[in-house]
Amino acid sequence: AQSVAQPEDQVNVAEGNPLTVKCTYSVSGNPYLFWYVQYPNRGLQFLLKYITGDNLVKGSYGFEAEFNKSQTSFHLKKPSALVSDSALYFCAVRDRNTRDYKLSFGAGTTVTVRA
Amino acid sequence: TAGITQAPTSQILAAGRSMTLRCTQDMRHNAMYWYRQDLGLGLRLIHYSNTAGTTGKGEVPDGYSVSRANTDDFPLTLASAVPSQTSVYFCASSRTSGRNEQFFGPGTRLTVL
Repeated sequence: AQSVAQPEDQVNVAEGNPLTVKCTYSVSGNPYLFWYVQYPNRGLQFLLKYITGDNLVKGSYGFEAEFNKSQTSFHLKKPSALVSDSALYFCAVRDRNTRDYKLSFGAGTTVTVRA
Repeated sequence: TAGITQAPTSQILAAGRSMTLRCTQDMRHNAMYWYRQDLGLGLRLIHYSNTAGTTGKGEVPDGYSVSRANTDDFPLTLASAVPSQTSVYFCASSRTSGRNEQFFGPGTRLTVL
């Protein structure tokens, strides 16, 4: 079985401050990990993914995420948040050992960046 | 390219009525998915299809059916809608490799009264 936990329903930061959105996962084997962002009344947009190799993954809009196997985490980070980063963020996982392509999503974290 | 389109954008439906949500992609992706999004629950997989002609059940398949007659289209049907099916529905597609991300449509907001 595969699952994802996003322990924070909401994250509030001031513009210009670092932003971190937490994600932990559970899989029986090794994971593929993804981050998506959803703006109001829109579909999900892909931000970045971890497949293999370097544990630090860089993605769109200045976001990055660090894969930590020992802590089973894949936290999303941005060094300097913008008001336009305010959105709903989803972490997702797929166990490499499964034969289908289904993702399991977390419940989402609402990020609010205040000016 | 349009990517993934969904129709309708929103719909109000009387309980007991049937409805088909449409999804079309132009990326020639083999795999397609239907999710529902509910506050506090994230996205839950309803049905999926790894390739044309095959479908599978996700986490919450009851009350829904799908078909995959060709690569591009993946309609979701509610045979007899109930209020608990009020939700926002998203269609997605991906290449058939687990390392590939899924691309999402704009969603259909469905209200069942």
